[in-house]
Amino acid sequence: DAKTTQPTSMDCAEGRAANLPCNHSTISGNEYVYWYRQIHSQGPQYIIHGLKNNETNEMASLIITEDRKSSTLILPHATLRDTAVYYCIVLTGTASKLTFGTGTRLQVTL
Amino acid sequence: KAGVTQTPRYLIKTRGQQVTLSCSPISGHRSVSWYQQTPGQGLQFLFEYFSETQRNKGNFPGRFSGRQFSNSRSEMNVSTLELGDSALYLCASSIPPGLPTPTDTQYFGPGTRLTVL
Repeated sequence: DAKTTQPTSMDCAEGRAANLPCNHSTISGNEYVYWYRQIHSQGPQYIIHGLKNNETNEMASLIITEDRKSSTLILPHATLRDTAVYYCIVLTGTASKLTFGTGTRLQVTL
Repeated sequence: KAGVTQTPRYLIKTRGQQVTLSCSPISGHRSVSWYQQTPGQGLQFLFEYFSETQRNKGNFPGRFSGRQFSNSRSEMNVSTLELGDSALYLCASSIPPGLPTPTDTQYFGPGTRLTVL
């Protein structure tokens, strides 16, 4: 699976959009971009995934560049409960062995 | 729909003991994967079960074992516990690709926090 690079930490004011970037320059054509988050000491929570097109669900939006070498997770109106470590991973549709990097620690503040 | 459930949530054991952790997947999910998460090593894959068969295995010693039942519930067992086995043990369930979704999105449970003294 391709390697990903994320900033170590980010801050966001409550109510503002949080834009979390991820670089995956070695992504293959059959690999999906997945985002999970983990609130301290809890199980990771699936957020969203995509292959080529931008995706949106009730939690977030995923913007994938046309060359698929990077993506951005957007939380449109961040709340304090969105404070967590966010992991961007790239894997094929059949991969079962998830591996998280260090992720981005998002701190949402008042 | 209920999420992945894991029991117990917290467990304290002493070295040399054994432990069994339980995982109930989301209804309709037939694949269950187990992970160990520690601050130092991050998330590490233990094994995956599908239709009561181990489909994939990570790089852990034989003290770590698992099984899956016909209702897709799964258990993992760790024998002869060591201090280094202290970790958050996570279970994730998914619908394998093609049944009916094309991707193997994994949904995690809350985890079992195991402390070995």
